[in-house]
Amino acid sequence: DTEVTQTPKHLVMGMTNKKSLKCEQHMGHRAMYWYKQKAKKPPELMFVYSYEKLSINESVPSRFSPECPNSSLLNLHLHALQPEDSALYLCASSQDYGGTSYEQYFGPGTRLTVT
Amino acid sequence: AQSVAQPEDQVNVAEGNPLTVKCTYSVSGNPYLFWYVQYPNRGLQFLLKYITGDNLVKGSYGFEAEFNKSQTSFHLKKPSALVSDSALYFCAVRDLNSGGYQKVTFGTGTKLQVIP
Repeated sequence: DTEVTQTPKHLVMGMTNKKSLKCEQHMGHRAMYWYKQKAKKPPELMFVYSYEKLSINESVPSRFSPECPNSSLLNLHLHALQPEDSALYLCASSQDYGGTSYEQYFGPGTRLTVT
Repeated sequence: AQSVAQPEDQVNVAEGNPLTVKCTYSVSGNPYLFWYVQYPNRGLQFLLKYITGDNLVKGSYGFEAEFNKSQTSFHLKKPSALVSDSALYFCAVRDLNSGGYQKVTFGTGTKLQVIP
């Protein structure tokens, strides 16, 4: 199974709402990632978890809060977002973070609209 | 910093013709290079990677890429294009940032349009 699942597929939220994005993989991968992607642009790395610990935070605003409850799950908690945060949010995983088997497997993404 | 460049925003090719999507890289040390494809409203899919060894790398869906050290290029190729190959293609490089952690840096993407 090489699938990364993400829920929900679409999310519309107001600027005062609190919501969460969820990501799950059952490939035994030990590294998981959150990316933000604007239309026709490359993905921008937000966070990396390696062995369930936060390894990279790319200076992401605190209104985005990641969580890795276990090795298969990754959440992104959203609070007080701005309209410019509207984007496709992609989750990915890889076998590990430092080894040569570094290709990432991406989920289908959550299309987020902030109103 | 490590980087990749995709000089073409869009490539048009007739169905059945060979296709090439260009990528050049700038790295210090040995490059780890990747190609990903993204279909509309979907996540990225891994196609192939170059770590070391043979300069011609074969990947998914009949794609291959040629690593050329002298030209610092890693072009994606396919002998015969299909309409279903129409998508957004990203070249990527494993990047070693100043903190010692490694991450992937993506190129700007090339939209491939295969014309029936």
